[in-house]
Amino acid sequence: QKEVEQDPGPLSVPEGAIVSLNCTYSNSAFQYFMWYRQYSRKGPELLMYTYSSGNKEDGRFTAQVDKSSKYISLFIRDSQPSDSATYLCASSSGSARQLTFGSGTQLTVLP
Amino acid sequence: GAVVSQHPSRVICKSGTSVKIECRSLDFQATTMFWYRQFPKQSLMLMATSNEGSKATYEQGVEKDKFLINHASLTLSTLTVTSAHPEDSSFYICSAPRGVQGVNTIYFGEGSWLTVV
Repeated sequence: QKEVEQDPGPLSVPEGAIVSLNCTYSNSAFQYFMWYRQYSRKGPELLMYTYSSGNKEDGRFTAQVDKSSKYISLFIRDSQPSDSATYLCASSSGSARQLTFGSGTQLTVLP
Repeated sequence: GAVVSQHPSRVICKSGTSVKIECRSLDFQATTMFWYRQFPKQSLMLMATSNEGSKATYEQGVEKDKFLINHASLTLSTLTVTSAHPEDSSFYICSAPRGVQGVNTIYFGEGSWLTVV
């Protein structure tokens, strides 16, 4: 079993839809949770960063962490074609330690 | 703007030659940097942790003599792929933790595409 599991998709939604991306993890030591967006042939771009449980909102993006169920979510409101990318969830046990990544979910937002 | 810079973004080399990829932290010091490898449509695979002033820590299955890592300064880490073969062709990405308001977050470089012909 991988430490971080993520549905690889692909996921296609119409423009304006609410997108829900999810991951589960198995390592109880994970405290830091991140979402990265990766466009084709580019390095990952940090979208959201969350420590421990709770919600964090930034514009159209909301990250949720439920440590009791080991569940990580990213919601994208009013999705845009420019949101089309691969979204990677990542976790670590320390703030400066290496990340454990999910496999990534490929998202396409159709105009 | 970019927080971590990688160079070159693309490189093509002949089989048997060596290639060096640089990773620089911009405007901050990084005593630790991470090197990843990514195959098409797959997630990032951690290769090694680069430590300034000491030897790199390699993940299981990664040949340290083939993938030489040197953390020459607090802002520069290099990955050298030695005696490259076509199966080494991949996307190589580095990352570095940066403290923002007392919290470390990890930023990635733009990645380097290596093609070995």
